[in-house]
Amino acid sequence: AQKVTQAQTEISVVEKEDVTLDCVYETRDTTYYLFWYKQPPSGELVFLIRRNSFDEQNEISGRYSWNFQKSTSSFNFTITASQVVDSAVYFCALRETQGGSEKLVFGKGMKLTVNP
Amino acid sequence: DTGVSQDPRHKITKRGQNVTFRCDPISEHNRLYWYRQTLGQGPEFLTYFQNEAQLEKSRLLSDRFSAERPKGSFSTLEIQRTEQGDSAMYLCASSPGGQLSSYEQYFGPGTRLTVT
Repeated sequence: AQKVTQAQTEISVVEKEDVTLDCVYETRDTTYYLFWYKQPPSGELVFLIRRNSFDEQNEISGRYSWNFQKSTSSFNFTITASQVVDSAVYFCALRETQGGSEKLVFGKGMKLTVNP
Repeated sequence: DTGVSQDPRHKITKRGQNVTFRCDPISEHNRLYWYRQTLGQGPEFLTYFQNEAQLEKSRLLSDRFSAERPKGSFSTLEIQRTEQGDSAMYLCASSPGGQLSSYEQYFGPGTRLTVT
């Protein structure tokens, strides 16, 4: 069965600190997709990144970077030089491809608070 | 290009009443999804449409829940005989399909349901 675990529930940092959000997933599929979404206080989920299971290259986008390691079934997200606007709940999600399902399975989320 | 819109944004109802929510996806997105999110949890998949066909339903979608997408554009989610346990945020998402299909799901702002 597919499962996403975000062990950290809440993190509080001071502006300009780096912070890493952990995500561990479980799946029996060989082809799957991993996602990160941001949910700011306004409530709307914002798509950040998609990774497929065949692409283990790390990715950097501005202050955001992602580390995908199939060997440990992890897809961690790092925010460098955090800012107050990064304060939000961050969700990791998994989509399997076997059986044609299109559902995303989300972790419980990690609330990040960046203090000035 | 406007995003996914949902109406109403908030709904307060008494137990036993029926409620209906509407979702308008991003134009030309042929996939539409409904999720439910309770406090402190990640979104949970309810159902999915490709055009007007409802292709996948979660076990969470009890007999009191029904979703439609009659013309392959907007969708409605109806809850009959609401219960206090139905109180949650109901999220709609859409995704493009076809040969250039992308697997990101773009979420709307949600409808927050409170059952008293």
